[in-house]
Amino acid sequence: GNSVTQMEGPVTLSEEAFLTINCTYTATGYPSLFWYVQYPGEGLQLLLKATKADDKGSNKGFEATYRKETTSFHLEKGSVQVSDSAVYFCASTSSNTGKLIFGQGTTLQVKP
Amino acid sequence: SAVISQKPSRDICQRGTSLTIQCQVDSQVTMMFWYRQQPGQSLTLIATANQGSEATYESGFVIDKFPISRPNLTFSTLTVSNMSPEDSSIYLCSVESASSYSYNEQFFGPGTRLTVL
Repeated sequence: GNSVTQMEGPVTLSEEAFLTINCTYTATGYPSLFWYVQYPGEGLQLLLKATKADDKGSNKGFEATYRKETTSFHLEKGSVQVSDSAVYFCASTSSNTGKLIFGQGTTLQVKP
Repeated sequence: SAVISQKPSRDICQRGTSLTIQCQVDSQVTMMFWYRQQPGQSLTLIATANQGSEATYESGFVIDKFPISRPNLTFSTLTVSNMSPEDSSIYLCSVESASSYSYNEQFFGPGTRLTVL
């Protein structure tokens, strides 16, 4: 079945460092791909999305490109801030049910 | 995007009791979903709730333990029955975007943090 795998955390960075959180998926067909963010004590917020191969989703300085050849959707940000500290979830839609399938989440901690 | 509220935001309950969580959306939506997020874990889909029909439960979840109501297109409830400490989790509802171009984008409520003693 479909699945999503993220790099294990926690990831600890200094402010203004470059961020990459790896995400790979397995799927039949052509899923849509998402990154959600969960700030401490809050629910999930959609950060960005991509719906077809080579699409680039971007928001708040974060970017991710839908790479069909490597089945990946890595999250990147050029310069992180303390306020980016949160848990990041990669997700894909199941091609036959449309349901969201989440990765295990990666905790990011940014230190001043 | 949809604005979703949940009640209660958190609760501490005794073993063996039941808690009903409410989810209210500011617009009419067809599909609503209930998820569980156990401490330090990812989200697991409990069930899909469509208005006017029985909820569809995922493997490992049953109606007797997690009865769901969906009386209209803006509201749903999830009950956690006969609770045990293993039910301590965050419970989140979500809705699928109404746009046909949204590609299954979902919006989430703030969650209900449940602790069972």
